[in-house]
Amino acid sequence: QQQVKQSPQSLIVQKGGISIINCAYENTAFDYFPWYQQFPGKGPALLIAIRPDVSEKKEGRFTISFNKSAKQFSLHIMDSQPGDSATYFCAASSYSWGKLQFGAGTQVVVTP
Amino acid sequence: DSGVTQTPKHLITATGQRVTLRCSPRSGDLSVYWYQQSLDQGLQFLIQYYNGEERAKGNILERFSAQQFPDLHSELNLSSLELGDSALYFCASSVLAGDDQPQHFGDGTRLSIL
Repeated sequence: QQQVKQSPQSLIVQKGGISIINCAYENTAFDYFPWYQQFPGKGPALLIAIRPDVSEKKEGRFTISFNKSAKQFSLHIMDSQPGDSATYFCAASSYSWGKLQFGAGTQVVVTP
Repeated sequence: DSGVTQTPKHLITATGQRVTLRCSPRSGDLSVYWYQQSLDQGLQFLIQYYNGEERAKGNILERFSAQQFPDLHSELNLSSLELGDSALYFCASSVLAGDDQPQHFGDGTRLSIL
């Protein structure tokens, strides 16, 4: 049973475009929401993270938007580049839950 | 390079066998996590150790066990292997044990059961 639901499963975007990945959760105890980026043959790498007391966080071309009432959060990749082609995972955790729950992942392909 | 080292990179074995996966965390990190990644289950948390003690347990099978040694490296032992255990096994580490700690992942061990 997926604690964190992620969509879409895959997306193709042109260079310079915006990639948007959405995640939803049910457990209101979650209080930490990271995004990980994974390239083939590599382990996931932390990209950016947010806590529910903040509605938006931006780091370079990557922005997390968080909607606490809707229990949803999303990753926006602005000015997408071919080097951004990877699988992206959202995740959630809480101190009481004791572990990171990952979404199913979104494969992003940025075409030149 | 995350600084987390996992060995071996690939492991091929047969059903019923036992294997040990090894993880060296980043220098200074006290917490180690193990994850299983498969096509049908995605990334699943298995177990976490902090400074040698088990801290959290996920959907880890009874056939699987882990430990963290005094030098902080960790081993994941998988026994009575089944075809369904074929997967990528990742180790991650963080400085402290809190669930908001950034986790740094190794490049994984690919386990293939024939």
